[in-house]
Amino acid sequence: DTAVSQTPKYLVTQMGNDKSIKCEQNLGHDTMYWYKQDSKKFLKIMFSYNNKELIINETVPNRFSPKSPDKAHLNLHINSLELGDSAVYFCASSQFTGGRPGELFFGEGSRLTVL
Amino acid sequence: QQQVKQSPQSLIVQKGGISIINCAYENTAFDYFPWYQQFPGKGPALLIAIRPDVSEKKEGRFTISFNKSAKQFSLHIMDSQPGDSATYFCAASKETSGSRLTFGEGTQLTVNP
Repeated sequence: DTAVSQTPKYLVTQMGNDKSIKCEQNLGHDTMYWYKQDSKKFLKIMFSYNNKELIINETVPNRFSPKSPDKAHLNLHINSLELGDSAVYFCASSQFTGGRPGELFFGEGSRLTVL
Repeated sequence: QQQVKQSPQSLIVQKGGISIINCAYENTAFDYFPWYQQFPGKGPALLIAIRPDVSEKKEGRFTISFNKSAKQFSLHIMDSQPGDSATYFCAASKETSGSRLTFGEGTQLTVNP
């Protein structure tokens, strides 16, 4: 049973389109994250939600909008896709309160290719 | 501003050798220093972590050495195996405040058979 699962695993789309990536965790964690990994493998945090509340919002274009319907789910919607959005997007979770917030559990990633 | 600097960018080691990856940090408030391992097509996974109250932590063939005064920490992989070939990331955070994890740039390790 996968701890952090993301869908889809691969996404190929045209510039200007809108796309979503979904993430679910079954670890009972209270905090979820979106990370972007570029072609040089650098991992950069984009957003973090704690119990459905946005707690980290890095300098990310407004075209990116996260949504957390409950603490087990965190989705990422991207509007008007650009070539530079091509990357691997990782969802992760951790236990912020009473746990170890620095111990992140990552999904397998969603590779987005914008043509 | 890159708060955690990692080197080398890539490393090639022979099977049975020792792999050493180094990281330096700037923020003295950091109190949690994990290493993550990432295989191709997978997400990063926590490998080993250390807190600044100890200078060394060992788990099997993996050891973290921590130098608080120099603000540096390193990962040593003893008896490196081809299965250790992966990308390794150091990271740091101020865990007591639940702050975000800041990652280093990553090291691509290749262990030749």
